[in-house]
Amino acid sequence: GAGVSQSPSNKVTEKGKDVELRCDPISGHTALYWYRQSLGQGLEFLIYFQGNSAPDKSGLPSDRFSAERTGGSVSTLTIQRTQQEDSAVYLCASSLGGGGAGQNIQYFGAGTRLSVL
Amino acid sequence: AQSVSQHNHHVILSEAASLELGCNYSYGGTVNLFWYVQYPGQHLQLLLKYFSGDPLVKGIKGFEAEFIKSKFSFNLRKPSVQWSDTAEYFCAVIFSGTYKYIFGTGTRLKVLA
Repeated sequence: GAGVSQSPSNKVTEKGKDVELRCDPISGHTALYWYRQSLGQGLEFLIYFQGNSAPDKSGLPSDRFSAERTGGSVSTLTIQRTQQEDSAVYLCASSLGGGGAGQNIQYFGAGTRLSVL
Repeated sequence: AQSVSQHNHHVILSEAASLELGCNYSYGGTVNLFWYVQYPGQHLQLLLKYFSGDPLVKGIKGFEAEFIKSKFSFNLRKPSVQWSDTAEYFCAVIFSGTYKYIFGTGTRLKVLA
């Protein structure tokens, strides 16, 4: 597609429910990243995919958070048993991937605003 | 630990004033440096980037940044701001051997008309 697409744009859920957030990266981009943007915490890295593999999951805050990527394209971030502190904007980015510097430029989606009541 | 610091959290300027936003990163060898901007209600957009070569890089909308290796800094500048520059600005660094961005905490700029 023309840009990184994320859905839904807004999600309101009740504490304890599971949520799934979707990211559709730019076509041809092999690398995909999830970040979280919250007040007081800035932009935090969550997980990085190269193809369908996740070589860096170091930013996932707890085992309630998981992500997968299929077909080297769409990725889903799942938050189980949501808590109020999970409320944030979840951003997805993609890049060409590979080792060259120019291939590391990340292009961001508009994000999913998650509100946990 | 790898980290990025933006010292100015909120900046208010009048139109035509000059802008400089600070960005410092922890030592980590070779780095790729970026400035992103987030206008109200919009997604993050790349302003400019530095990979190698001339340490003074020019980006979109009249912004520029200077990489000073000895100071581990990559400050963003604009000689004359406009009301439309009101936004949040993020410095980001890719440290050698990694692919993820480490972001600064952001600077909210408000330009008064």
